[in-house]
Amino acid sequence: NAGVTQTPKFQVLKTGQSMTLQCAQDMNHEYMSWYRQDPGMGLRLIHYSVGAGITDQGEVPNGYNVSRSTTEDFPLRLLSAAPSQTSVYFCASRRTGGRYNSPLHFGNGTRLTVT
Amino acid sequence: AQTVTQSQPEMSVQEAETVTLSCTYDTSESNYYLFWYKQPPSRQMILVIRQEAYKQQNATENRFSVNFQKAAKSFSLKISDSQLGDTAMYFCAFMKHEDPGTYKYIFGTGTRLKVLA
Repeated sequence: NAGVTQTPKFQVLKTGQSMTLQCAQDMNHEYMSWYRQDPGMGLRLIHYSVGAGITDQGEVPNGYNVSRSTTEDFPLRLLSAAPSQTSVYFCASRRTGGRYNSPLHFGNGTRLTVT
Repeated sequence: AQTVTQSQPEMSVQEAETVTLSCTYDTSESNYYLFWYKQPPSRQMILVIRQEAYKQQNATENRFSVNFQKAAKSFSLKISDSQLGDTAMYFCAFMKHEDPGTYKYIFGTGTRLKVLA
């Protein structure tokens, strides 16, 4: 019962490097999202997707790109890493339709440090 | 815009005692959902309890219960018989009932709870 799987768990980047954070879910959830967690700021939405081929911006999208080619995968790309992107990143998914109070299912997070 | 405020950055409680974490929110909507998530040191985000705004009855899940005051826009979490495993960061979250597919959760800044032996 894998749920939401994020890789890697830890990553250190130098300023200007690019990388992709991977997220996969095996629950056939249509909705997927990326959050960043910073001390004293809670979780803030970066991007989200309501299905394959559909993505939209959240609260803090600058510096990040996403795509959704399959229902299962929702990678987050940092094109040119900056120290301000040092954070813990969470991928989360939920099913759509039915009861709207279906909770978000979270991955275990990726701790990213940009030096 | 909706906001969620958790005014207690840190709290502590003795094992077996009861503790209440506060959460207030600001919205003009009448139909929405509220959640409490727990984040232990393992960093995993775990759903603790949920409440639908149209339900007047407060939600309960074993030792966890909420005091939902819709008019006051308050959604506090009560943990009874606190256990060492309850030590975690607790996040309050608001979700507005919008068009199907648009689920924007607004999270509070969290309350770090430490249960003392």
